[in-house]
Amino acid sequence: DAKTTQPPSMDCAEGRAANLPCNHSTISGNEYVYWYRQIHSQGPQYIIHGLKNNETNEMASLIITEDRKSSTLILPHATLRDTAVYYCIVRPTDSWGKLQFGAGTQVVVTP
Amino acid sequence: DVKVTQSSRYLVKRTGEKVFLECVQDMDHENMFWYRQDPGLGLRLIYFSYDVKMKEKGDIPEGYSVSREKKERFSLILESASTNQTSMYLCASQDSTRYGYTFGSGTRLTVV
Repeated sequence: DAKTTQPPSMDCAEGRAANLPCNHSTISGNEYVYWYRQIHSQGPQYIIHGLKNNETNEMASLIITEDRKSSTLILPHATLRDTAVYYCIVRPTDSWGKLQFGAGTQVVVTP
Repeated sequence: DVKVTQSSRYLVKRTGEKVFLECVQDMDHENMFWYRQDPGLGLRLIYFSYDVKMKEKGDIPEGYSVSREKKERFSLILESASTNQTSMYLCASQDSTRYGYTFGSGTRLTVV
């Protein structure tokens, strides 16, 4: 599976958009980009995933560059409850199995 | 919503004890997984199962075994608990037709 690189931490003001970058320069054509987050002392929570096109759901938007070597997760209006570790993961489409979690980005939303 | 329930939130066990961690999911998912999470090491896959009575080793299976007698239940067994197995244990399930995981809330196990 392709490895990902994320900044270790970032701060965001409440109510502002949080843009979380992820580099996956060795991504293969059949690999999806997934985002999960983990709030302290809870299990990881699925946020969104995509292959080539930008995706949006009720939680976030995912922007994938045209060359697919990087992506950005956007939390449009960050709240204090969005404080968490955010994980960017890439995985083949035909690999239903294990996810490889890296260190993630610790996001702190401040009032 | 899919629920993945882990039987205990916190456990304290003694070295050498046999420990059972239970995980139950309520959405008929085929695939289930056990991870452990440690500071600085992230989530590491211990075992997974893609069907009843089927199991596959993950990245760190040593010292662990699993059981899946029913589709909804996936148990992690520490045959003889050791202090280096003190960790947060996370169970997850996945519908084989989808790609997202659903995780339980975790069991924080302390072996003394």
